[in-house]
Amino acid sequence: NAGVTQTPKFQVLKTGQSMTLQCAQDMNHNSMYWYRQDPGMGLRLIYYSASEGTTDKGEVPNGYNVSRLNKREFSLRLESAAPSQTSVYFCASRTAGTSGLNEQFFGPGTRLTVL
Amino acid sequence: AQSVTQLGSHVSVSEGALVLLRCNYSSSVPPYLFWYVQYPNQGLQLLLKYTSAATLVKGINGFEAEFKKSETSFHLTKPSAHMSDAAEYFCAVSDGYGGSQGNLIFGKGTKLSVKP
Repeated sequence: NAGVTQTPKFQVLKTGQSMTLQCAQDMNHNSMYWYRQDPGMGLRLIYYSASEGTTDKGEVPNGYNVSRLNKREFSLRLESAAPSQTSVYFCASRTAGTSGLNEQFFGPGTRLTVL
Repeated sequence: AQSVTQLGSHVSVSEGALVLLRCNYSSSVPPYLFWYVQYPNQGLQLLLKYTSAATLVKGINGFEAEFKKSETSFHLTKPSAHMSDAAEYFCAVSDGYGGSQGNLIFGKGTKLSVKP
């Protein structure tokens, strides 16, 4: 099992450019998440998908859109990148269940720099 | 609203010394609590989780944490630090209820340095 994979690993954009971060999981998990990590801020939830066909905003959704393409894949799109979106982006997934006790599994991250 | 506070953004210990990383949470319902570790340039890896089965939770790499409801704490400890423990540690809480059940609220992280 590859677990959670993310592409690309690194990306440099100019202000105003767009790009899509890809995430896939092979653990048959229902829920998927996108976080951003900034120094001293911990991880903050951007968007999540509790199940295939649903997406919801997290704590910091402005400037982002997501697509739950199928059960395996959850992409994050920056339509017009801004320097404030320079960050490390993590995708995570979690198995189904009505309880919050199941842990999330994280991908290796995408390091994005917006100039 | 739930929240997590990690006391100390940086902790430095000597190799072989006790590791203590502090985490306090706020939750209006019984919480589920997690500790994750992040090694440089990697993703997050689960160390351990509290699911109400036992208040003392043992995790990987010799770490353990104790849930104390009266103190709303879930501190992470390891009796003897190893150089390989140098990493950033995150405490997280999930309430397990409602439409966002399973969503995690993370603390800001504590970077652990281990001196030879």
